[in-house]
Amino acid sequence: GQSLEQPSEVTAVEGAIVQINCTYQTSGFYGLSWYQQHDGGAPTFLSYNALDGLEETGRFSSFLSRSDSYGYLLLQELQMKDSASYFCAVRKVTGGGNKLTFGTGTQLKVEL
Amino acid sequence: GAVVSQHPSRVICKSGTSVKIECRSLDFQATTMFWYRQFPKQSLMLMATSNEGSKATYEQGVEKDKFLINHASLTLSTLTVTSAHPEDSSFYICSASPRTGAYEQYFGPGTRLTVT
Repeated sequence: GQSLEQPSEVTAVEGAIVQINCTYQTSGFYGLSWYQQHDGGAPTFLSYNALDGLEETGRFSSFLSRSDSYGYLLLQELQMKDSASYFCAVRKVTGGGNKLTFGTGTQLKVEL
Repeated sequence: GAVVSQHPSRVICKSGTSVKIECRSLDFQATTMFWYRQFPKQSLMLMATSNEGSKATYEQGVEKDKFLINHASLTLSTLTVTSAHPEDSSFYICSASPRTGAYEQYFGPGTRLTVT
């Protein structure tokens, strides 16, 4: 089977740095994506790692260690608008094409 | 770019009726589209993958006769929930991939289905 585990909730203050971890167990791993979802909204793509290491995109960075089946999303200079749910998702390639399996999700609350 | 729309955004229907949800890629051709459902405070669960012009591939546990998927063109996929029941009430989200093998998926805004 597959599983992706994330902390259910993280709270941080505006301006701080927060790290959201994701551990996964899966076969046929191709990469790890991160998505942000505000309440009632569509998931929006944040970052993707196919290889080990750090990917930086503005205030967001994502890290992957394939040997440890582990990744994290780093959010810097937190803003109130960053309050949302964050999902990691494993990309698998099957005969039918790409598939994403989403993690349990982390609700981030940014406080003043 | 890469905008995906869904219609309707919200729908309320009576138990036993069928509901059709449309998913459109507005500014790109989507070789593959995906349908997910999401219960409150939970993760997105993939229901099925559809490729234009071929039958959808359903995930284990998803009834293909209940959730009918049609991907008639490179910009449109539809999900029909047949004989809906209250337990089918959920947030249904589609996504589209611009090309086979692409890691990007662009998500629609979702459809909130309530079955009374």
